[in-house]
Amino acid sequence: SQKIEQNSEALNIQEGKTATLTCNYTNYSPAYLQWYRQDPGRGPVFLLLIRENEKEKRKERLKVTFDTTLKQSLFHITASQPADSATYLCAPLPTLGRLYFGRGTQLTVWP
Amino acid sequence: EAGVVQSPRYKIIEKKQPVAFWCNPISGHNTLYWYRQNLGQGPELLIRYENEEAVDDSQLPKDRFSAERLKGVDSTLKIQPAELGDSAVYLCASSLGGSRQNTEAFFGQGTRLTVV
Repeated sequence: SQKIEQNSEALNIQEGKTATLTCNYTNYSPAYLQWYRQDPGRGPVFLLLIRENEKEKRKERLKVTFDTTLKQSLFHITASQPADSATYLCAPLPTLGRLYFGRGTQLTVWP
Repeated sequence: EAGVVQSPRYKIIEKKQPVAFWCNPISGHNTLYWYRQNLGQGPELLIRYENEEAVDDSQLPKDRFSAERLKGVDSTLKIQPAELGDSAVYLCASSLGGSRQNTEAFFGQGTRLTVV
């Protein structure tokens, strides 16, 4: 069965540094991959989508890569800020559009 | 424009009792999802609708869970009878769907269920 793994449950970094979150998937080949942010007590919020034929996508301080050979996506937040503290979820989508999530990585950015 | 609306926000029930959750998706969104999220875990897909048709319910525990989406708009998720292990946050999400299956999903705030 398909499996989605996100690196370590928690990541703590200092303000100003780059946060790098990892998403690995097995047993299927998604055509798209989405990243979401979730704050405590709230539903996830969409951040970025990257397609299988795109190597990299950027949006402001966010950068996502998609390596279909390694079956991995990396999510980077540059110049991180305490307001970036949240849980980040990845969702590799098969072409049928089934939206399955990994368990998430909790990011804490300290001043 | 209102986002995805869920109610109630919180629900506490005794085990073996029934419970229902309601979701109103964003207008015009054909795809509707129900998820269950346990503390420290990612959302687990329970069922996905394309309009009024359930197209993916493989992870819905059908012995006690049921869902419906009448007229392809609002949806309800029901648990009967509830068990202690059903305590979780139930999230509803919607997206444009159709041929645009890669578009973003918009989530409601969820219903926090506590079974005692």
